[in-house]
Amino acid sequence: DQQVKQNSPSLSVQEGRISILNCDYTNSMFDYFLWYKKYPAEGPTFLISISSIKDKNEDGRFTVFLNKSAKHLSLHIVPSQPGDSAVYFCAANAGGTSYGKLTFGQGTILTVHP
Amino acid sequence: GAGVSQSPSNKVTEKGKDVELRCDPISGHTALYWYRQSLGQGLEFLIYFQGNSAPDKSGLPSDRFSAERTGGSVSTLTIQRTQQEDSAVYLCASSLRGLRTGELFFGEGSRLTVL
Repeated sequence: DQQVKQNSPSLSVQEGRISILNCDYTNSMFDYFLWYKKYPAEGPTFLISISSIKDKNEDGRFTVFLNKSAKHLSLHIVPSQPGDSAVYFCAANAGGTSYGKLTFGQGTILTVHP
Repeated sequence: GAGVSQSPSNKVTEKGKDVELRCDPISGHTALYWYRQSLGQGLEFLIYFQGNSAPDKSGLPSDRFSAERTGGSVSTLTIQRTQQEDSAVYLCASSLRGLRTGELFFGEGSRLTVL
């Protein structure tokens, strides 16, 4: 049972354009969401997070949008840069007894072309 | 270095053998996590340690898997009688506070191949 899904395995965009990565979840107990970026042969690195009490969080070129009614979140990168090329994972946390547990999606490979 | 350190970086073993994977978290981080990533999959939660509290072992896939954290610092993940489906990259992470109030810092992972 895949509780967090990233339905696009890959995304290709031109440098300077917007990248939009999507993520859907099924567990209504999730109330905290995160995005991680991963380069080959490295561990994932934290990008940005959002609590379910918000619908938007910005950090520089990165913005995460949360639509609770649709159980959908998205990561916008504007403008996209070649160095953003990596695998992006969304992750969700339910709190409570699952406080230490993140449930990850399968990842989306982003390629930004110069 | 100041990051999360994992060893070995690569381990090839034969089916049925036991393996130990080690994680050295960032100094002072009270929370430590183990995840694994199988080929083409997302990261799968295995276990979470927070200070002196009982660990959350709910993600361990079978009783062949166990983990301990000694002295609140170094952690060892042990897989007994390895199977081919155990082949994956095993990732360790640590955080200063909980994952909602700070980042999880991941190591580079230990790639396990079971022949």
